[in-house]
Amino acid sequence: TQLLEQSPQFLSIQEGENLTVYCNSSSVFSSLQWYRQEPGEGPVLLVTVVTGGEVKKLKRLTFQFGDARKDSSLHITAAQPGDTGLYLCAGAETNAGKSTFGDGTTLTVKP
Amino acid sequence: DAGVIQSPRHEVTEMGQEVTLRCKPISGHDYLFWYRQTMMRGLELLIYFNNNVPIDDSGMPEDRFSAKMPNASFSTLKIQPSEPRDSAVYFCASSLIGGAHNEQFFGPGTRLTVL
Repeated sequence: TQLLEQSPQFLSIQEGENLTVYCNSSSVFSSLQWYRQEPGEGPVLLVTVVTGGEVKKLKRLTFQFGDARKDSSLHITAAQPGDTGLYLCAGAETNAGKSTFGDGTTLTVKP
Repeated sequence: DAGVIQSPRHEVTEMGQEVTLRCKPISGHDYLFWYRQTMMRGLELLIYFNNNVPIDDSGMPEDRFSAKMPNASFSTLKIQPSEPRDSAVYFCASSLIGGAHNEQFFGPGTRLTVL
């Protein structure tokens, strides 16, 4: 059974600080997604990474896929209160069917 | 496209009652997923369909839970009889496989409270 571990579980920082959250597994994934979920809403897809070592940027967010495609990180530069939410990673062993979701990192950015 | 549509958004019921949650996936998507989210257990996959056929229902908690997908644009998740421990937010998600790398699009969820 695949298992995705996310760390830290909770993170509370001040506006303007930088942060990194991690998603780790012993399984190799064909792709990995990062989602953000705000209170009262469903998760929203942020990015997909596919190639080992791949780096993608989305404004102040930088996503990296590990060389072995077993882990990923999300770095936020100069965090803002609007970044507050639950960040979930999800990995798929194949290109069809279900993905395994991590338990998420709850980020709070204080103004 | 309107995205994944779920109804109702909120449901409050009493223990023992039947509950039916509804989902309309994004048009053209061929996979549909039902999840349950709680603080204690996070996001759990209950069941998923491919082209209206159930593929994996190993996440369904027990026989009180059932799901159907009679056509490509509609799915239901039914709980009968409901129990207080079923209280959670239930999400439906859909995806289009075939180069899309399992990217899932979630509905807004149904918050279920069983008293």
